[in-house]
Amino acid sequence: ETGVTQSPTHLIKTRGQQVTLRCSSQSGHNTVSWYQQALGQGPQFIFQYYREEENGRGNFPPRFSGLQFPNYSSELNVNALELDDSALYLCASSLRRGGNSPLHFGNGTRLTVT
Amino acid sequence: GQNIDQPTEMTATEGAIVQINCTYQTSGFNGLFWYQQHAGEAPTFLSYNVLDGLEEKGRFSSFLSRSKGYSYLLLKELQMKDSASYLCAVPTYNQGGKLIFGQGTELSVKP
Repeated sequence: ETGVTQSPTHLIKTRGQQVTLRCSSQSGHNTVSWYQQALGQGPQFIFQYYREEENGRGNFPPRFSGLQFPNYSSELNVNALELDDSALYLCASSLRRGGNSPLHFGNGTRLTVT
Repeated sequence: GQNIDQPTEMTATEGAIVQINCTYQTSGFNGLFWYQQHAGEAPTFLSYNVLDGLEEKGRFSSFLSRSKGYSYLLLKELQMKDSASYLCAVPTYNQGGKLIFGQGTELSVKP
């Protein structure tokens, strides 16, 4: 059973640039969620994708966008990067959509915006 | 509104028992999760409680009281490897998969 993998592991970008983060879901999982985790804080929900459609979205501006592909892998895109976007971005897959299915997290992408 | 509170830090001794508390306020209840997160690593699923009472899973147990909006995670026979952040999380109701996490409780296990 292959777990959730994310790439890249670390990334440094300049304010105003754009970034794409990638995630491969665990085999058998059709739902992917993205979270932002600032240092010392709990993860904050960005959005969830189920079968290539956005199933739900948190309080993030439209410059945060996503995609899910037919193989259930996913991308998170962030445009016009701001310093406050510096954080750990976690991808998690689950067996079912919604919030009551345990999440299986990847190791995250550490994004630094300078 | 929706809110989760848990202590920021706790310290305990190897071999001891520690209880990490979590209080929550949600509009609608759909279960409560506990996750463990070691420094620099991904959170890993520990438990999911929907009904009141204690659920035991090896050295870890989780308790839920829906009427009090309260849960705790109980760790027995503490080991050094249990040093980690413990995150309490509740799903929102009809908000498309959104989990609200607490800020996490940083547990340090000392020899």
